[in-house]
Amino acid sequence: KQEVTQIPAALSVPEGENLVLNCSFTDSAIYNLQWFRQDPGKGLTSLLLIQSSQREQTSGRLNASLDKSSGRSTLYIAASQPGDSATYLCVHNNDMRFGAGTRLTVKP
Amino acid sequence: EAQVTQNPRYLITVTGKKLTVTCSQNMNHEYMSWYRQDPGLGLRQIYYSMNVEVTDKGDVPEGYKVSRKEKRNFPLILESPSPNQTSLYFCASSPGDSFNSPLHFGNGTRLTVT
Repeated sequence: KQEVTQIPAALSVPEGENLVLNCSFTDSAIYNLQWFRQDPGKGLTSLLLIQSSQREQTSGRLNASLDKSSGRSTLYIAASQPGDSATYLCVHNNDMRFGAGTRLTVKP
Repeated sequence: EAQVTQNPRYLITVTGKKLTVTCSQNMNHEYMSWYRQDPGLGLRQIYYSMNVEVTDKGDVPEGYKVSRKEKRNFPLILESPSPNQTSLYFCASSPGDSFNSPLHFGNGTRLTVT
């Protein structure tokens, strides 16, 4: 059974810091991996989708990478801002299985 | 506007009273899915549908039913709700080639069963 793990579960950083969120998966035969952001009590906002043929995707201050051989994806956030505070979720789109998320707090 | 619409946003009900949460998408997506989200447990898939009249169980299907009679709608039915079904529910959809396409989510339905 596929497992998707996100580390760390929670992260607190000062404003302006660059940071990396991790997503590990056990099924390396991946089609694509998608990153979402969720604000407390709200819905999910899609951030980036990386197809299996790609190694990176970028959107503004966000960069997501995919390494199928090691079963890992990372979400890099540059120059973090308080508005980035949210829970970040990854989903392995083969079986639509989610990680438990990383709760990010960016302090002013 | 392309979107997934869930109704209602909030629902409070009592144990045993049948309810339906509706989900509709206007993107002609073939794949649709229901998730529940609970603190500490993340998002868990309840049921999914690859196309009209095709539905399959996810990880936590007990106590739920779904139907997919038309492409745009995928209602979630709780025949006899119980307090352990109190949760935040999300509907999602994706294009037919779901293995290479993004998931789109509704805004969620917060259900409380007393």
